[in-house]
Order: sequence, then C-alpha cells, then structure tokens
Amino acid sequence: AQTVTQSQPEMSVQEAETVTLSCTYDTSESDYYLFWYKQPPSRQMILVIRQEAYKQQNATENRFSVNFQKAAKSFSLKISDSQLGDAAMYFCAYRDPSGTYKYIFGTGTRLKVLA
Amino acid sequence: EADIYQTPRYLVIGTGKKITLECSQTMGHDKMYWYQQDPGMELHLIHYSYGVNSTEKGDLSSESTVSRIRTEHFPLTLESARPSHTSQYLCASSLGAGDTQYFGPGTRLTVL
Repeated sequence: AQTVTQSQPEMSVQEAETVTLSCTYDTSESDYYLFWYKQPPSRQMILVIRQEAYKQQNATENRFSVNFQKAAKSFSLKISDSQLGDAAMYFCAYRDPSGTYKYIFGTGTRLKVLA
Repeated sequence: EADIYQTPRYLVIGTGKKITLECSQTMGHDKMYWYQQDPGMELHLIHYSYGVNSTEKGDLSSESTVSRIRTEHFPLTLESARPSHTSQYLCASSLGAGDTQYFGPGTRLTVL
C-alpha cells in the first residue's frame, strides 16, 4: 500500500529566509502524481505545487519549488523568501492514476514564519 | 478560488440529531470526496465517489452515509450525531487521474 510520510510536525523560518519541508512516500508504481497543499489557519486548503513522476524536471511556482528524487521516493518543498502569509499547515499528497481514485495525504507540517 | 461550496460552515447540535452536510461544485468534476480533520491534524478519507450513483467508503470508519444523485452534489448525512463526531468535515473534488483536488471551506461540527 502507498504511504506518505512527513517527518517534521513543525518547522519555523525567519521572514525572508528559505525553508525546506520534507516528504517521503512509498509506492511500487512508476507513474504517479505528487502534490503539496497549504492550509492556512481557518482557511481553505489550496494547491501549492504539483509534480508528475514521469517528468524529471522539478516543478516550480514562484517562490515555491520542489526537489523530486524519484529513486529515493522523496518530494521536498522549498519556500524561498518566506513571508508571513506562508504560515500554514502543509500537506504532501500522492495519487496514482490506476486503481482507486484516492489521494494519500501525509500527516502535515505546521510552518511558523517569524517576523 | 475553486468553485466548491459547503454549508453550513459551522454547526452546533445536540446528541441524537440527524444532520446533513452539503457539498456542491460547479466545475463538472466527476470525483468527489469527504474528509474528516481535527484542527491542525491529518486528513482522514471517509467517503468518495467516482460519479453519479457511485460511492465508496474511505479508510476511516464512519457512521455517516453519502449519496451522489447529481454530479455537482455530494451530501453527507449523520443519522444520529454523537460527541465523537465533533470535527471538521472537508469536501473535495477532482477531474482526471492526475488532477488537483479542490477543497471546500469545510464544515466545523460540534455535537454537545
């Protein structure tokens, strides 16, 4: 069965600095999708970034980028120039296009941004 | 902002009451999901649907039931609410196999 592990329950970063959130997963599939979602306090969960496993190039979205290491089954999120609005719970998620249509979520990392 | 809506946003009810949490999306997504999430904690999938008239139980055992009579509508019903049902309920939808899940704002349920 696929699993997603986020080993950092909480992280802190100084405003304007860079932080990396870790995510590892376990799967026997070769084709799948990985996501990072952001859930600000009392606000809606939104997509931060999406990676397709068959693409070797790491996805980037403005200040957000990933380090996708397929062989190591690692999918970390880097946030550059951290802003106060980046404070949130961040969830890593996995989805394989075969079989069921379920998304597998990690347990989340709470990111605090210090002014 | 995604076009997925949940009502009510907050609900406080007494034990034994029957409640229905509403979820609607206007994106034409065929797949819809219900998650249970305690504040600041992980998501637990309780129900999902592939399309109209197709529903499946998720990984977390739940006393709730769902229906999918229309593509855009995926309500969740608790026949007899208990304090253990106190939690936040998130509805989500997606289209294709690798597509992003879009989440609603959630319903925060408190059962006294």
